[in-house]
Amino acid sequence: DGGITQSPKYLFRKEGQNVTLSCEQNLNHDAMYWYRQDPGQGLRLIYYSQIVNDFQKGDIAEGYSVSREKKESFPLTVTSAQKNPTAFYLCASSIDYRTPYEQYFGPGTRLTVT
Amino acid sequence: GQQVMQIPQYQHVQEGEDFTTYCNSSTTLSNIQWYKQRPGGHPVFLIQLVKSGEVKKQKRLTFQFGEAKKNSSLHITATQTTDVGTYFCAGGSSNTGKLIFGQGTTLQVKP
Repeated sequence: DGGITQSPKYLFRKEGQNVTLSCEQNLNHDAMYWYRQDPGQGLRLIYYSQIVNDFQKGDIAEGYSVSREKKESFPLTVTSAQKNPTAFYLCASSIDYRTPYEQYFGPGTRLTVT
Repeated sequence: GQQVMQIPQYQHVQEGEDFTTYCNSSTTLSNIQWYKQRPGGHPVFLIQLVKSGEVKKQKRLTFQFGEAKKNSSLHITATQTTDVGTYFCAGGSSNTGKLIFGQGTTLQVKP
């Protein structure tokens, strides 16, 4: 059963702590993406990766970091430098980055920082 | 930077009424995609439009891409309660996978 998994579904952290959100796909997709969703604001791109060992900043990368050591995995770290980290985080993948293919989304992680 | 604006933000309709959401880009798009997100769920791809003036239909849903490739619309005929959710347009500005999402239109359908 192919798809994208994100864990956990809900995550609670204290301010000042770094937290890592996992994203795994078994679709054999080259491209992977991280989005942040806030109420009434749509999806904003944080980071994307076109291929293993490569990634680029999106529109709101400050306070976030990623790695892409394996094709199927693209974890996102929300650092203490992110000023407003509470949000719904969505991971997505597509066949490749060179052509505008549809993106497949994971179920998301809802992060609350207090 | 490039922006994609979507209106209205919310729409409440009676079941059986029609619904339309509009998407406008500040720049010419190479393609536009539409996604649906059910309450508590994640976005799911509906369709992609690439050609100027393109019109595609999926049962009661009609998607249009403007002649100038700067605007798009999604029209639902005779809404049903299963249509409830947030509809997003997402524009691509070049032949890459990067998308700029609109803010979404949340549709509520009263039975």
